[in-house]
Amino acid sequence: SQTIHQWPATLVQPVGSPLSLECTVEGTSNPNLYWYRQAAGRGLQLLFYSVGIGQISSEVPQNLSASRPQDRQFILSSKKLLLSDSGFYLCAWSRDRGGGSNQPQHFGDGTRLSIL
Amino acid sequence: AQSVAQPEDQVNVAEGNPLTVKCTYSVSGNPYLFWYVQYPNRGLQFLLKYITGDNLVKGSYGFEAEFNKSQTSFHLKKPSALVSDSALYFCAVRDSSSGGYSTLTFGKGTMLLVSP
Repeated sequence: SQTIHQWPATLVQPVGSPLSLECTVEGTSNPNLYWYRQAAGRGLQLLFYSVGIGQISSEVPQNLSASRPQDRQFILSSKKLLLSDSGFYLCAWSRDRGGGSNQPQHFGDGTRLSIL
Repeated sequence: AQSVAQPEDQVNVAEGNPLTVKCTYSVSGNPYLFWYVQYPNRGLQFLLKYITGDNLVKGSYGFEAEFNKSQTSFHLKKPSALVSDSALYFCAVRDSSSGGYSTLTFGKGTMLLVSP
């Protein structure tokens, strides 16, 4: 069966520090991968998605970036964190690749990021 | 662009009573709709999806959803609520504008509270 792992579960960082959140998927190949942020008010904002190694699409311009160095690894980074970067970050994967499929997305348990 | 609306921030129901969580959608083509549930400090869990076919879709944990094309609705239902159903529920629609890849647009979520 497929599993998705995110770490760390919680993180407290000072303003201006760098960030690296990691997400890995097991049990499937060539997944689509997604990063979301969920603010305290509950809505989900899609940040990045990737359909293959080195292929990243950004949905929202900001001081975050994403990379996909391996097929089942997705990394969210920042060089300098802002207070507004606080939130709950969720990684997800879906089975489809190449367009047109309607498979659901499957989510990890998230990283709660607090910026001080 | 696709969108979904969840008109209720919160739904309260007594255990054993039927529950309904409302969702309406707006799409330019065929609607592909999903329901997810989120428990505190966890990721989203997929409940069910509507792609085509029967208007009543059955999903996990006894949930079902009714697709109504004329009313552009996709309401989540359960005949008998459990206290353990208390959680945050999201409706989502597949966004066909993302070059054919299955990015999702989520509603703002509805908190379901089931009282004993």
